[in-house]
Amino acid sequence: NAGVTQTPKFQVLKTGQSMTLQCAQDMNHNSMYWYRQDPGMGLRLIYYSASEGTTDKGEVPNGYNVSRLNKREFSLRLESAAPSQTSVYFCASSGGQGYGRWTQYFGPGTRLTVL
Amino acid sequence: EDKVVQSPLSLVVHEGDTVTLNCSYEVTNFRSLLWYKQEKKAPTFLFMLTSSGIEKKSGRLSSILDKKELSSILNITATQTGDSAIYLCAVSQGAQKLVFGQGTRLTINP
Repeated sequence: NAGVTQTPKFQVLKTGQSMTLQCAQDMNHNSMYWYRQDPGMGLRLIYYSASEGTTDKGEVPNGYNVSRLNKREFSLRLESAAPSQTSVYFCASSGGQGYGRWTQYFGPGTRLTVL
Repeated sequence: EDKVVQSPLSLVVHEGDTVTLNCSYEVTNFRSLLWYKQEKKAPTFLFMLTSSGIEKKSGRLSSILDKKELSSILNITATQTGDSAIYLCAVSQGAQKLVFGQGTRLTINP
């Protein structure tokens, strides 16, 4: 089991460029999430997908779009990157039964720099 | 506004010391409180505490949930350099969402 995988690991963009961050999980989880982590601010939720076919905004959705491609894959798109989007991006998933469904498992992250 | 606050933000101790990390929360629809450890990359899950399980222990790490005080502590005894990390507290709400605190950066010096 690979768990949660993310690509790419690192990316440098120029202001105004677009890109898509990919995430996949092999744990048969229903729910998937995208977070950004900035120094001193913990993890902030960008978007989440409670189940295949649904997506919802989190705390900081502006400037991002998402697609839940199927149960395994959840992508995050930056249409026109801005320096304020320089951050580390984490994908996570959760699922299962009982209390365990609230435990989220994280991918290795993508370090994005926007110049 | 839902919020989770951790303290201290940073802590430096010597190997062998005992540390206590704090987490307080004000959220709607509380379901559970989770602790994660983050070294260089992804946060890794440590504990989950719920109304029906307010204390957890694993080796040198233990955690207690105080639902009356809306807080939790994470204790690490006999610290080792491998315990150096950022420790994140998160609270689960409805729809499986987590609200994270800022994290506590723990440094263990040999």
